[in-house]
Amino acid sequence: ELKVEQNPLFLSMQEGKNYTIYCNYSTTSDRLYWYRQDPGKSLESLFVLLSNGAVKQEGRLMASLDTKARLSTLHITAAVHDLSATYFCAVDHAGNQFYFGTGTSLTVIP
Amino acid sequence: NAGVTQTPKFQVLKTGQSMTLQCAQDMNHNSMYWYRQDPGMGLRLIYYSASEGTTDKGEVPNGYNVSRLNKREFSLRLESAAPSQTSVYFCASSQLPDSDYEQYFGPGTRLTVT
Repeated sequence: ELKVEQNPLFLSMQEGKNYTIYCNYSTTSDRLYWYRQDPGKSLESLFVLLSNGAVKQEGRLMASLDTKARLSTLHITAAVHDLSATYFCAVDHAGNQFYFGTGTSLTVIP
Repeated sequence: NAGVTQTPKFQVLKTGQSMTLQCAQDMNHNSMYWYRQDPGMGLRLIYYSASEGTTDKGEVPNGYNVSRLNKREFSLRLESAAPSQTSVYFCASSQLPDSDYEQYFGPGTRLTVT
């Protein structure tokens, strides 16, 4: 069974600070995904990482993938309150079997 | 262009009752998925359909059945609801295994089984 672990599970950070969320997965995977979910809402796609060494950036968020280490990171630069949400990573195995991490609940404090 | 739609948005069932959750997408995607989301457990795949006419089990299929009615629609049926099926259910679609790897999610159905 493929396992996806995120840490930390909860993150409280001050505005303006930097932090990294980690996503480890237990077996080879085709792709790595990052999603954002606001309370009571659906999931919004942030990044799809397709290959080893892939790096993608959007605003204050940057995601990277190391397939050899089976590790992805989501780096937050100079956090702002609008980034408060739950962030999930997911991998797909054999094309359509998606496995999600348990999520990181991020709170940005003024 | 509505994307992925789900009905109903909310539902309360008594133990043993049955119901069908409906999902439709208008993006001409091949693949469709049903997930459940429970507190502290992330999303877990229930069933998926890689193309019209095919369905496969995901991580947690027990207690559920699905139908891929046509390319647009993918329904999830609970034949005899149990309290353990209280959850938020999300439908998603994607163009996997083709070039657009994104998964697009519906707004969710909040189901409570008493």
